Order: sequence, then structure tokens, then C-alpha cells
Amino acid sequence: AQRVTQPEKLLSVFKGAPVELKCNYSYSGSPELFWYVQYSRQRLQLLLRHISRESIKGFTADLNKGETSFHLKKPFAQEEDSAMYYCALRAGTALIFGKGTTLSVSS
Amino acid sequence: SAVISQKPSRDICQRGTSLTIQCQVDSQVTMMFWYRQQPGQSLTLIATANQGSEATYESGFVIDKFPISRPNLTFSTLTVSNMSPEDSSIYLCSVERAASRYNEQFFGPGTRLTVL
Repeated sequence: AQRVTQPEKLLSVFKGAPVELKCNYSYSGSPELFWYVQYSRQRLQLLLRHISRESIKGFTADLNKGETSFHLKKPFAQEEDSAMYYCALRAGTALIFGKGTTLSVSS
Repeated sequence: SAVISQKPSRDICQRGTSLTIQCQVDSQVTMMFWYRQQPGQSLTLIATANQGSEATYESGFVIDKFPISRPNLTFSTLTVSNMSPEDSSIYLCSVERAASRYNEQFFGPGTRLTVL
């Protein structure tokens, strides 16, 4: 079955601390994975995708096929990173989303 | 990017009634998607709407409950029929468009529906 699991509903860190938002997936084919972010009162938007291998706003995510994971990391969290983060898997043309993790960064 | 608008932004409806949600895109797109986000849950795909053909529904969603129209390449509607409180959700329209080197899905602002 195709599935995306984000085990943490809420992650609270202090400003400057490292952040890791976990994502595991289940997919029989070659996965295409994404992280979407939704800031307060804004619409859902793409943060990064695994095939581009970019760092966006200091965030990176590496696809680990052995562990079927695509964790999102940032070495030093900022208060403006506070948002809801969704991991998503492309299955055909549509996306399968995890339940999301709320990241709260406080000073 | 893609500019997507949805109407209404929110509504409160009585059970047994129907609500039609509109999605407008700033330029032509082939594929439009409708998602549902129930309280505390993730986004779930309802159906894919292609212009000129019937919408393709995901498991657990049927046309009688969620009829979709796609009259042209910039517009689609989703109707939530015979509503019950379980239909209270945020409904999101999404489109796929080429962005830089890859295709990307862009999302509308959502329609927050409350059914009493």
C-alpha cells in the first residue's frame, strides 16, 4: 500500500537548535518525494523535492531508499520556520500526503 | 507559479443541502485536482478533473456525492451533495504546472466547510 507516515504531530524547538522532521514512506515503485509547508494564514506550498537535491530556506532532505525515509533537516531553526510541514509522495499524477507535523520555534 | 482562487472561502451549511465550490486558475492547465482535509487529518485526493472527460475518483469517493465539472482549461467546480456533519472539511483545488525544470502542484487557498 502507498502510504506516508509522519510520526510527530508537533515538534517544538528553540531558535538556533537543529530540526529534523521525520517522514517514512511505503511505495512499490521508484518514489518521488516532496516536502510542502503551510505558514499561518497562507496556502500550502512546495518547499523542496528530492530529485532537485536543493537546500531551500536552509532545509535539506535526503531520500534514503533503504530506510524508506525522507526526513527534513535544518541545522539552525529560525522563528519564521514555524509552520505545518507535510511530506508527500507522488503516486501517478496525484500526491499522497502524510498527516503533517507542526514545527514551533521559540526564542 | 499558478494563481488559484476558490469560492467561497468558507461556508456553514445545513445537513441535507449541497454546496458547489469553484476553482479558477490564472492560465490553462490540463489537470486539476480536488483534495479534502478533514479536521486533524491529512490531505486526501478526492478526484482528478481533466477537461473534456469525466473526472477520475479515488477509492472511497463517488460521483453522486462529489460531482465535478471541468468546462474549460481554467475552471472547475466540486459539489458536495446531501451534506452531513462528516463532510465538514477544508476542500482544496490544485493544479499541476511546469515550474523551472520540473512539474509542480500548486494549491488554492481552500474552502472551509462546516455542516451543522
